[in-house]
Amino acid sequence: QQQVKQSPQSLIVQKGGISIINCAYENTAFDYFPWYQQFPGKGPALLIAIRPDVSEKKEGRFTISFNKSAKQFSLHIMDSQPGDSATYFCAASLEGGYNKLIFGAGTRLAVHP
Amino acid sequence: DVKVTQSSRYLVKRTGEKVFLECVQDMDHENMFWYRQDPGLGLRLIYFSYDVKMKEKGDIPEGYSVSREKKERFSLILESASTNQTSMYLCAIQGTLNTEAFFGQGTRLTVV
Repeated sequence: QQQVKQSPQSLIVQKGGISIINCAYENTAFDYFPWYQQFPGKGPALLIAIRPDVSEKKEGRFTISFNKSAKQFSLHIMDSQPGDSATYFCAASLEGGYNKLIFGAGTRLAVHP
Repeated sequence: DVKVTQSSRYLVKRTGEKVFLECVQDMDHENMFWYRQDPGLGLRLIYFSYDVKMKEKGDIPEGYSVSREKKERFSLILESASTNQTSMYLCAIQGTLNTEAFFGQGTRLTVV
């Protein structure tokens, strides 16, 4: 049972463009939605996270948009750079559930110069 | 700097072998997790532990067991390795009140 669905599976963007990755979840009790970034040969690392009491969170070039009624959230990378080329995972967790994260399938982003 | 150290980066084992993957943290975090990562499937939770000697099954525990005898160390055990357990294995830690998870660098296991 896939509780967090992520799309697209892969994405190619030109340098300076906007990268958009989408996720949808099923469990309305989820209350924490992070995005993780993984470079080849490394473990994932937290990029940015949001809670359902806000609709948007921005950190530098990275923005999470959150739509509670649609049970969807997305990551926008503005002015995408070749250094952003990585695999991105959305996730969700439930407070009181030992904080265990349920991950999406991942999106492999390639930013071409 | 948070350190989550996995004992091996690469492992090659034979079918039927018993395999131990070790994870050690230096953050004194209560929660520790084992995930496996496969292309197109993301990270899937195998087992987790929220305290010493405590363990809970994740989404795909079959063929695996775990051990947590000390707070800083969480071991994943493949009782009898099979080729379908060839994968990247990732250990992660989280504090009880802190929702950020910190990952190790991963162990790429190949079962031949």
